[in-house]
Amino acid sequence: DVKVTQSSRYLVKRTGEKVFLECVQDMDHENMFWYRQDPGLGLRLIYFSYDVKMKEKGDIPEGYSVSREKKERFSLILESASTNQTSMYLCASHTRTSGRAGETQYFGPGTRLLVL
Amino acid sequence: GNSVTQMEGPVTLSEEAFLTINCTYTATGYPSLFWYVQYPGEGLQLLLKATKADDKGSNKGFEATYRKETTSFHLEKGSVQVSDSAVYFCALRASGNTGKLIFGQGTTLQVKP
Repeated sequence: DVKVTQSSRYLVKRTGEKVFLECVQDMDHENMFWYRQDPGLGLRLIYFSYDVKMKEKGDIPEGYSVSREKKERFSLILESASTNQTSMYLCASHTRTSGRAGETQYFGPGTRLLVL
Repeated sequence: GNSVTQMEGPVTLSEEAFLTINCTYTATGYPSLFWYVQYPGEGLQLLLKATKADDKGSNKGFEATYRKETTSFHLEKGSVQVSDSAVYFCALRASGNTGKLIFGQGTTLQVKP
């Protein structure tokens, strides 16, 4: 079974702090994604990465950056946290290999971030 | 551009009631369509999928049929259980192998005993 883990389930930070959210997958997937989930808005893509050191902006990249130094790890960085970044953050991975495994994204359990 | 629209929730049903959650999409080409489910306190997991027109995805008693003529992928279940209480997301994946998904806004289902 694919496993996607996220470093924290709950996080409380203060405005202006630098925040790191870590995501690790154990299935050698090429593609990894960061979403934020807000009520009534569904999931919105922040950034995704299709290879080590490669990244591409999603729909709402402002205020965020990412790092992918190793294939299994994809980090989301809030350079200076703001209250409007209070949200649930979900990481996912996906393989480009054809077949059943390549048909879906696999999600981590989420990190609920509160910025005070 | 590509988009997904779901019926607004919350949907509240009694146990053993029939469930329909509507989903329509806008996309170029031939997208694949998905339903994901998020149980309380968890991440999303794939519930079912359909990759071409007229395909029917099914899992755990849930079904959805890919209707290209109406650009719809409605989720149905004949008899819901309390354990089905969750948030349901409709999503599409455009052609290409990036795996990028576009999600609807999610529909909360609450099933009462």
